Amino acid sequence: TQLLEQSPQFLSIQEGENLTVYCNSSSVFSSLQWYRQEPGEGPVLLVTVVTGGEVKKLKRLTFQFGDARKDSSLHITAAQPGDTGLYLCAGDNSGYALNFGKGTSLLVTP
Amino acid sequence: DAGVIQSPRHEVTEMGQEVTLRCKPISGHDYLFWYRQTMMRGLELLIYFNNNVPIDDSGMPEDRFSAKMPNASFSTLKIQPSEPRDSAVYFCASSYREGVTEAFFGQGTRLTVV
Repeated sequence: TQLLEQSPQFLSIQEGENLTVYCNSSSVFSSLQWYRQEPGEGPVLLVTVVTGGEVKKLKRLTFQFGDARKDSSLHITAAQPGDTGLYLCAGDNSGYALNFGKGTSLLVTP
Repeated sequence: DAGVIQSPRHEVTEMGQEVTLRCKPISGHDYLFWYRQTMMRGLELLIYFNNNVPIDDSGMPEDRFSAKMPNASFSTLKIQPSEPRDSAVYFCASSYREGVTEAFFGQGTRLTVV
């Protein structure tokens, strides 16, 4: 099982601040996905990145896949309380089922 | 489509009892996954099926755990006998195919073994 390390584990910020969370591995992934999970719910897909160096934007969220396809980052601009949740990265190394990191728990206070 | 449906949402049972968790995947999805989530270990893959056939059960923690998929619209995860360390949230997910495509998760079953 390929290990995905996410950092920071917890993050508490105020509305309007910017933040970046990271997902790192020693393994190469054919693709990497980011999910957000809200309390009492299952994870929901935000984005999939496939190409090394790829950058994808989803409104205020910017996702980047590392050139070597071993790491990824998620940057949120001007965070809002609605961004609160657990952010999970998941890797697919060769078509097998997704392996998830432990996640970054984000709290955005008004 | 109603999405992935899991039941029950909450289960409290005594140590030693048998527990059965149920899942109805999204119609047309070929893959079904069972995950377990805890604070300590995060989201762990237990087992997954392709076209109702178990493909990889290496994540099943012990022989006390078993999973079946008798048809394309139903799967169960059984724990017998249950132990307090099995307390966790169990998720079922389905997808069109493994890997790159999106995994759709149910709302989970919160299991508490006392």
